[in-house]
Amino acid sequence: IAGITQAPTSQILAAGRRMTLRCTQDMRHNAMYWYRQDLGLGLRLIHYSNTAGTTGKGEVPDGYSVSRANTDDFPLTLASAVPSQTSVYFCASSPFGNNSPLHFGNGTRLTVT
Amino acid sequence: DQQVKQNSPSLSVQEGRISILNCDYTNSMFDYFLWYKKYPAEGPTFLISISSIKDKNEDGRFTVFLNKSAKHLSLHIVPSQPGDSAVYFCAASVNGGSQGNLIFGKGTKLSVKP
Repeated sequence: IAGITQAPTSQILAAGRRMTLRCTQDMRHNAMYWYRQDLGLGLRLIHYSNTAGTTGKGEVPDGYSVSRANTDDFPLTLASAVPSQTSVYFCASSPFGNNSPLHFGNGTRLTVT
Repeated sequence: DQQVKQNSPSLSVQEGRISILNCDYTNSMFDYFLWYKKYPAEGPTFLISISSIKDKNEDGRFTVFLNKSAKHLSLHIVPSQPGDSAVYFCAASVNGGSQGNLIFGKGTKLSVKP
């Protein structure tokens, strides 16, 4: 089934450790996004990429980095995790262009202790 | 400052009745609005959208209404079904969301009672 695959599904991580959340899509969508969902705060954009080779900062980019080496993959890296990065992380994609709804993965639940 | 507000964290409705979920926004430049539905342990899924050139869009049991003067949109579900129980997110963007600038509300948890 076409869609977005996120890995891992969940992770417990010690503070200060480095972690990469993986995201792969097989829909050949140009644009990809990383959101975090926190209770009472909804979904907030971390980073996005409109096309392979380009990235941009969202609303809450600090502490995170992304890369877009190809169309399908959009990994999110936490260089040195902190407890405030405990959240559910959703990767999404869309065909580039106006009025394109996002397709979301099932999320990665990350706990930083 | 929240640009997209869903002031009701939760809503409970009887099966067969109408569910009305509300959303207010502050940015008059928003021109594209969407509703997403989210079940536990799953990612949000797109439900319905509306462009600012329209005031209503309908898809089966789901209708979205847009009142630009009041900066308000609502999602109507008629008739409501137990399977509609989920968290509903309202989202808005400028320029159709093409620059990754989709802004989400905090969500409203809908419970449809059999």
